[in-house]
Amino acid sequence: AQSVAQPEDQVNVAEGNPLTVKCTYSVSGNPYLFWYVQYPNRGLQFLLKYITGDNLVKGSYGFEAEFNKSQTSFHLKKPSALVSDSALYFCAVSPQMDSSYKLIFGSGTRLLVRP
Amino acid sequence: DAGVTQSPTHLIKTRGQQVTLRCSPKSGHDTVSWYQQALGQGPQFIFQYYEEEERQRGNFPDRFSGHQFPNYSSELNVNALWLGDSALYLCASSSGHPNEKLFFGSGTQLSVL
Repeated sequence: AQSVAQPEDQVNVAEGNPLTVKCTYSVSGNPYLFWYVQYPNRGLQFLLKYITGDNLVKGSYGFEAEFNKSQTSFHLKKPSALVSDSALYFCAVSPQMDSSYKLIFGSGTRLLVRP
Repeated sequence: DAGVTQSPTHLIKTRGQQVTLRCSPKSGHDTVSWYQQALGQGPQFIFQYYEEEERQRGNFPDRFSGHQFPNYSSELNVNALWLGDSALYLCASSSGHPNEKLFFGSGTQLSVL
């Protein structure tokens, strides 16, 4: 079955420190990969995506993600965390097969950046 | 340029009732997708509309139905509401290709009592 796993319900990091939010996926073929962020009482906002090419993808607000095909992972990273980065982060996969148009989301990881 | 707008923002219904949620896509987008986000979970794909037809459907019962209008706006209808239908319902618009990012509305919070 197609799925996305975010193994950490919450990640805590001090402001100024690097952060990593983990994501692994189980999808046949070569999927499109996305990260979205959700602030309280808001919809999801796009951060970045991997389609093909360079395994390191840069996105909004200084975030980047590294695609690792052998480990089927797409971890979100930022070199220096800000308190304002505190939010709920979702990894998502779009299977490149069967003319699929849906996104499969992980369960989300809450990022808490302390001052 | 308005983004994706959804109405209403909050709704309270009782079991067995029917509900209609509305969505206007971002200007220039012709594709609308609906997602259900239960508390503490990631969004689950309900269906996608393109050219006024349901193009793809997720694993949701027939109680969930939709419509897309010629101006690309969309409605989500849920019949015979269950307690388990309580969730945040998100509308997302795009130009339709699977590798394009989605633009989400702020959602409709549905509570079924």
